Amino acid sequence: EIVLTQSPGTLSLSPGERATLSCRASQSVTSSYLAWYQQKPGQAPRLLIYGASSRATGIPDRFSGSGSGTDFTLTISRLEPEDFAVYYCQQYGSSPPWTFGQGTKVESK
Amino acid sequence: QLQLQESGPGLVKPSETLSLTCTVSGGSISSSSYYWGWIRQPPGKGLEWIGTIYYSGSTFYSPSLKSRVTISVDTSKSQFSLKLSSVTAADTAVYYCARYCYGSWQYYFDYWGQGTLVTVSS
Repeated sequence: EIVLTQSPGTLSLSPGERATLSCRASQSVTSSYLAWYQQKPGQAPRLLIYGASSRATGIPDRFSGSGSGTDFTLTISRLEPEDFAVYYCQQYGSSPPWTFGQGTKVESK
Repeated sequence: QLQLQESGPGLVKPSETLSLTCTVSGGSISSSSYYWGWIRQPPGKGLEWIGTIYYSGSTFYSPSLKSRVTISVDTSKSQFSLKLSSVTAADTAVYYCARYCYGSWQYYFDYWGQGTLVTVSS
């Protein structure tokens, strides 16, 4: 069973700072199958990144994804006030077919 | 614009069966490019994948819930449904339905319902 472990659990940063979020898989994940989502309170998750590094439609270029194998990273180059939220990585492919990481909360310092 | 809408009781008694339906509008549930999934989120916690169904009826379930979950699809009504049996308080969560794109180098949940809170309590 593939487990996705996200770190840190909480990231306390100020607007304008750079955020680096990690997603580590217990087994190798095909990059095409790795996605990142943003969730704000009371809202459904929103797709940010798919294929480990492709931005979804309408996502600002301050969001970028990278990585391969077991280590993936979501980077927000300069935090905007609307970026404070919880971020989840998600993989498809191996048993179980779909899994989510436990999330990283990006909060305002 | 594709829309997904969850519906069903917001309160379920312990040991009973939770039943939810997701109605898809603005697009076809029968497209070969998509799966349709259920994801839940306990209050204050993270996302948990429950299960996914293809329009043909093929299903995939989370190992931790497999013994209690049934997902079905009714293409004539553009709906897919979730049944979770023998619920306990641990099943209290916001339940989301979502579309999963599959293929052509695109693999992701792109459209989500607004979510519906189901509370398990007597």
